[in-house]
Amino acid sequence: DAGVTQSPTHLIKTRGQQVTLRCSPKSGHDTVSWYQQALGQGPQFIFQYYEEEERQRGNFPDRFSGHQFPNYSSELNVNALLLGDSALYLCASSPYGGTNEKLFFGSGTQLSVL
Amino acid sequence: AQRVTQPEKLLSVFKGAPVELKCNYSYSGSPELFWYVQYSRQRLQLLLRHISRESIKGFTADLNKGETSFHLKKPFAQEEDSAMYYCALSIFQGAQKLVFGQGTRLTINP
Repeated sequence: DAGVTQSPTHLIKTRGQQVTLRCSPKSGHDTVSWYQQALGQGPQFIFQYYEEEERQRGNFPDRFSGHQFPNYSSELNVNALLLGDSALYLCASSPYGGTNEKLFFGSGTQLSVL
Repeated sequence: AQRVTQPEKLLSVFKGAPVELKCNYSYSGSPELFWYVQYSRQRLQLLLRHISRESIKGFTADLNKGETSFHLKKPFAQEEDSAMYYCALSIFQGAQKLVFGQGTRLTINP
């Protein structure tokens, strides 16, 4: 089991562009959460997907959107990129509709906005 | 509002010395707290959670509701303990999510 896999590992974009990040959950997990980790900060919850629907959103604007596919994989989309969107984006998966007791993190996608 | 505070961004101790990483939280509900660790070039992983009251790699953490704290302790530090440590509060708002502190970088000197 490869665990939670994210792609790409690194990405460079310019302001105003759009980006899509991808996540495959750990085998047997049905819930995917996305976190943003700015430099020197702890991860911050963006949103969670379960049964292909967004269940909960953190304090992030509508420029951040996501999707979950029938195979439980997920995408995070960010439109109209700002310099402040530069961060490590972490995907985490869990079973049973989401439990933090069995939350596994991916290695993240490092996004740089120039 | 819920909040997790780790007052020390950096902590450096010598091998064999005791270690204590501080964590304070603010939450009106019944808290469920975790410690996560990130070793160099590895992903974030769960170290321990208060509800299990277990000791992992010699680390323990006790929830003190009166002081709203969940400090991580180890009596004798080892060089392999050098890592980034995050305290996290689990809350439910339509879904379970984690609220993280800013993290403490622990360095164990030989």
